[in-house]
Amino acid sequence: DQQVKQNSPSLSVQEGRISILNCDYTNSMFDYFLWYKKYPAEGPTFLISISSIKDKNEDGRFTVFLNKSAKHLSLHIVPSQPGDSAVYFCAASALDPSGAGSYQLTFGKGTKLSVIP
Amino acid sequence: DSGVTQTPKHLITATGQRVTLRCSPRSGDLSVYWYQQSLDQGLQFLIQYYNGEERAKGNILERFSAQQFPDLHSELNLSSLELGDSALYFCASSVDSLDTEAFFGQGTRLTVV
Repeated sequence: DQQVKQNSPSLSVQEGRISILNCDYTNSMFDYFLWYKKYPAEGPTFLISISSIKDKNEDGRFTVFLNKSAKHLSLHIVPSQPGDSAVYFCAASALDPSGAGSYQLTFGKGTKLSVIP
Repeated sequence: DSGVTQTPKHLITATGQRVTLRCSPRSGDLSVYWYQQSLDQGLQFLIQYYNGEERAKGNILERFSAQQFPDLHSELNLSSLELGDSALYFCASSVDSLDTEAFFGQGTRLTVV
């Protein structure tokens, strides 16, 4: 049962345009959401996050929107640049149900973004 | 550079064998996480250690085990390897167990032949 879903395996966007990456989740216990970017042969790197008490967080060209009622979040990249070409992972965090006092990250399968010059 | 170091970068081994993957967390980080990424799959959480103690378990097979040492480095041991264990194994670290932002190493690519 996939609790975090990224339904688009890939996305191609022209340089300068907006890239919109989508993510859906099913677990209502998730209270923190993150986006990670991954280049080939590298580990994922943290990009931007949003708490469940907010509906928008912006950092430069990157904005994450959260719609709790729809259990949906999206990452907007404006303007898109060729260096943004990477795999983007959506992740959601919830306290470990065992009560050990630890957050667990649940990742989606990723969306490969290609920004065409 | 995330500050998290994983060795080796690549590993090729035969079915039935046992391997050990090593992770050195960022300086000051007490929490270490292990993830597996198989082909076309997202990152699957395996296990977390915090300051030497197991804190959370995910989808980790019984053939796999991990530990975190007093110097906070961690090892993931994979035994009785099967072809399906071929994957990228990532280690991540964070300051504490309630830190939602984790920093990832470059991963170890394991190929079982």
